[in-house]
Amino acid sequence: AQKVTQAQTEISVVEKEDVTLDCVYETRDTTYYLFWYKQPPSGELVFLIRRNSFDEQNEISGRYSWNFQKSTSSFNFTITASQVVDSAVYFCALSEAGTSGSRLTFGEGTQLTVNP
Amino acid sequence: SAVISQKPSRDICQRGTSLTIQCQVDSQVTMMFWYRQQPGQSLTLIATANQGSEATYESGFVIDKFPISRPNLTFSTLTVSNMSPEDSSIYLCSVARLAGVDNEQFFGPGTRLTVL
Repeated sequence: AQKVTQAQTEISVVEKEDVTLDCVYETRDTTYYLFWYKQPPSGELVFLIRRNSFDEQNEISGRYSWNFQKSTSSFNFTITASQVVDSAVYFCALSEAGTSGSRLTFGEGTQLTVNP
Repeated sequence: SAVISQKPSRDICQRGTSLTIQCQVDSQVTMMFWYRQQPGQSLTLIATANQGSEATYESGFVIDKFPISRPNLTFSTLTVSNMSPEDSSIYLCSVARLAGVDNEQFFGPGTRLTVL
């Protein structure tokens, strides 16, 4: 069975600090996809990134960057120069292959608070 | 991306009653899913809504409690039956254009349900 662990329940930083959100996953599949979603206080789930198991290149998108390391089964997310608007719950998720659809297994989420 | 709407956006219901939540997508999609997010917790998949056939339920969820319909490729409903306070949650509809692990899932805005 697959599992996603986000060990950091809550993180609090001051604006402009860099922050890294950890994600560790377990799966028996060789083909899988990893995702990050953002859930602001309004409640909607915002897609941030998708990464497949064969692509270990790190990715940068503006202030966001992702570090995928298969050797440690980790897919960490870094926000550089954090802003108050980054305050949200962030979920890491895993999609397993071999099923009829793209069902997702979510981690427990990390509540990020960025203080001015 | 897909534009997804859910009705109602929120509701307060009495114990023992039922509520039907609607999910409408602006274009045809292959996969539709229903998730539950209990207060302060992560998302848990309830079921995959299958067009023209019975939904596929995850462990711990049953059709009698959460009947699902999917009459076409753009619409689905989830009913929460015989509600109790433990059913107070956010219920989210999600869609994927195609089947397969590599397809990103888009989420609706959610329905916030409070059961008294």
